[in-house]
Amino acid sequence: AQKITQTQPGMFVQEKEAVTLDCTYDTSDQSYGLFWYKQPSSGEMIFLIYQGSYDEQNATEGRYSLNFQKARKSANLVISASQLGDSAMYFCAMREGGARQLTFGSGTQLTVLP
Amino acid sequence: KAGVTQTPRYLIKTRGQQVTLSCSPISGHRSVSWYQQTPGQGLQFLFEYFSETQRNKGNFPGRFSGRQFSNSRSEMNVSTLELGDSALYLCASSPMGGTGYGYTFGSGTRLTVV
Repeated sequence: AQKITQTQPGMFVQEKEAVTLDCTYDTSDQSYGLFWYKQPSSGEMIFLIYQGSYDEQNATEGRYSLNFQKARKSANLVISASQLGDSAMYFCAMREGGARQLTFGSGTQLTVLP
Repeated sequence: KAGVTQTPRYLIKTRGQQVTLSCSPISGHRSVSWYQQTPGQGLQFLFEYFSETQRNKGNFPGRFSGRQFSNSRSEMNVSTLELGDSALYLCASSPMGGTGYGYTFGSGTRLTVV
């Protein structure tokens, strides 16, 4: 079974609007961390936001927020006020328990339209 | 503060050759992980080094190997290259830590095997 599922291969959003990128995960560990990364065409993976499984509040970082629904095992990324520079591939990732590696989803290609 | 540096950025090799990629982590970071990114398989974990020891290894053949030096710099080597080894190879560094420690990625090395 896929540990991280991103069901939206591609998304379009109008500049200045908000967009939600979906991510569901599968783990039996009680302790885990969820990450979102942005990958522009240059290839570098840019860290956006992190949510720990025991964090009671949804994580926020500037225009990025993570809508964490633990019972549903979902960790959707919300980007508010989209900018043209937000056009990139977005990856959801998970680190389980004491594991030291990340498991990535297949990514969502976001295109921001002017 | 300097980020994660990967060299070279681009590489073209012939089938059967071997290749060595280099990763210099953020100063003070002692853990280095390697990931392979291909269009077909997505992002896959290769291995992780901490204090010059391989701590974890992904599901890759023995042709893929790595090492870490006392200054935390890491190299990965791929021997007997195959066409399917063409990929973006990403390195990530992280400090020693518990839940929530972050990973910082480099810009990657794009390897093309012809």
